[in-house]
Amino acid sequence: QSALTQPASVSGSPGQSITISCTGTSSDIGTYNVVSWYQQHPGKAPKLMIYDVTKRPSGVSIRFSGSKSGNSASLTISGLQAEDEADYYCCSYAGSRVYVFGTGTKVTVL
Amino acid sequence: EVQLVESGGALVQPGGSLRLSCAASGFTFNNYEMIWVRQAPGKGLEWVSYINPSASTIYYTDSVKGRFTISRDNAKNSLYLQMNNLSAEDTAVYYCAREAGSGYCFDYWGQGTLVTVSS
Repeated sequence: QSALTQPASVSGSPGQSITISCTGTSSDIGTYNVVSWYQQHPGKAPKLMIYDVTKRPSGVSIRFSGSKSGNSASLTISGLQAEDEADYYCCSYAGSRVYVFGTGTKVTVL
Repeated sequence: EVQLVESGGALVQPGGSLRLSCAASGFTFNNYEMIWVRQAPGKGLEWVSYINPSASTIYYTDSVKGRFTISRDNAKNSLYLQMNNLSAEDTAVYYCAREAGSGYCFDYWGQGTLVTVSS
């Protein structure tokens, strides 16, 4: 399975909104509505931010939202804050209990 | 409080073997599917292996098939990854993670354990 494609970096000023794209194929994102997103600060474990494309786990800020269209998914962070500076990874189910992660996006708060 | 604690990472020579462990607490371990994910230095996340609660269903990413074996001991609330014939490409931080009850995402992760394959 090939990694899902994400932009290497995205940046924004505090208070702005940014969107991270995640492009897969008809074998993963295009077939399954179970894209998830993870935030990872340096030296830390990933943290679940979005699951099932649009759902937020308890405790995750409403500033984080997800969407999907065709073979691509997106994570939007609104009202960007300094604490949002981190790496973000998308993940999709690809059938037969196989999962594929995205290449990762470094978010910089200017 | 849900906790996952990995151990067993070390420096190992190419061709060597290593067994990673993941101790789970704070939840009913035998009700949950578990996975291993790895992250090479400076690189992204890579799903490695999956195991269901009864260990009757197991999957691996292609690059580790035939070399890695995932297992679990529900009585000890522990997950394992036996890694054989290691190569430099296996150098990474290895995380265990719990698949959420709703499925298809991973709601709790361990802190990771570093495996370095080098001569």
